[in-house]
Amino acid sequence: QKEVEQNSGPLSVPEGAIASLNCTYSDRGSQSFFWYRQYSGKSPELIMSIYSNGDKEDGRFTAQLNKASQYVSLLIRDSQPSDSATYLCAAVPDYKLSFGAGTTVTVRA
Amino acid sequence: EAQVTQNPRYLITVTGKKLTVTCSQNMNHEYMSWYRQDPGLGLRQIYYSMNVEVTDKGDVPEGYKVSRKEKRNFPLILESPSPNQTSLYFCASSIGLGELFFGEGSRLTVL
Repeated sequence: QKEVEQNSGPLSVPEGAIASLNCTYSDRGSQSFFWYRQYSGKSPELIMSIYSNGDKEDGRFTAQLNKASQYVSLLIRDSQPSDSATYLCAAVPDYKLSFGAGTTVTVRA
Repeated sequence: EAQVTQNPRYLITVTGKKLTVTCSQNMNHEYMSWYRQDPGLGLRQIYYSMNVEVTDKGDVPEGYKVSRKEKRNFPLILESPSPNQTSLYFCASSIGLGELFFGEGSRLTVL
């Protein structure tokens, strides 16, 4: 079992809609969680980090963490074509960062 | 400007010819790491370093070597490259374990 699993997608949403991305992790000891965005042909860039249960909002992005259920989610509100990218979930079990395989999001105009 | 610089960005080589991919960061970060990215497999960690002279294996270290003699540099060495090492490689640095700054990537093809 992979340490971090994401719904594989691809996910297609209309412009202005909410894109919902989900991620589960296997190591219950994980304490830190991250979402990275990767545009095609580019390197990943950090967009959100979350460390405690609940919601964390940053602009149009909201990260949600539920440690009891071992899942992390990312909501993108008012999706824009510029949000079309692959989103990588990551967790820190055992002093190293593990990534999920990513979910590709396409926002159609 | 804060950055992680990798070289070369693109390389085509042949099986068995030793190569080094350099990585340098200007943010005084203690933590540096190397990842490879392959379609359907995501980012997999090759090696990481918590500080100078401290390195450890990630998930896929076979066929790779690293060194950390200076804080800013973390080269990735392929002593005898094989075709299964054809991949996109990323170097990253950070203050802690999770908030990584990535280099632009090095696309390696081994024939």
